[in-house]
Amino acid sequence: DAGITQSPRHKVTETGTPVTLRCHQTENHRYMYWYRQDPGHGLRLIHYSYGVKDTDKGEVSDGYSVSRSKTEDFLLTLESATSSQTSVYFCAISEGTGVGDTQYFGPGTRLTVL
Amino acid sequence: GENVEQHPSTLSVQEGDSAVIKCTYSDSASNYFPWYKQELGKGPQLIIDIRSNVGEKKDQRIAVTLNKTAKHFSLHITETQPEDSAVYFCAAAYGQNFVFGPGTRLSVLP
Repeated sequence: DAGITQSPRHKVTETGTPVTLRCHQTENHRYMYWYRQDPGHGLRLIHYSYGVKDTDKGEVSDGYSVSRSKTEDFLLTLESATSSQTSVYFCAISEGTGVGDTQYFGPGTRLTVL
Repeated sequence: GENVEQHPSTLSVQEGDSAVIKCTYSDSASNYFPWYKQELGKGPQLIIDIRSNVGEKKDQRIAVTLNKTAKHFSLHITETQPEDSAVYFCAAAYGQNFVFGPGTRLSVLP
């Protein structure tokens, strides 16, 4: 998985609790992304980062926040988890060289919010 | 914004036959079109990609074609094997903005 690890790989939590997912890369790529994957929707972008402390919103950012304090780590936080955030979350990275950067995906985190 | 449609949603073929998955996109600014394969419990893996200045690209049993005028691109897998069974996603991208299709579940029957 292109030097990308995600932790935890599985998590079950209760509605209203905070949750943080971690993505770690060893490729020194500039761009990092968080997607969620739900049946029938493919992959939808939540947030992305184009450098340390530089982040921006994606298509489905409501209820999520991110932080990137080091090149290799990108954190996704659900401040107060809801059942609609039950999903599989994927981190991706790309070099950020310009047009048509290939994105490489991590193994995913399956989150269940009860 | 960009919208990507993908058909069919499920596809079953006999081992050795060919499989074709088609995608259409809406934004003419998109210029990069990757295809990903996702096996159960794993992250999507890039299998082939094509850029807007190319009409066709092949890599062994896999090929992708792009028709910019019609805004559609297709994945072709020849001589399918059971290990080709997976979910396949297309995407249309401009810069760092990727929009994915909903996926096609391919089953290769022995």
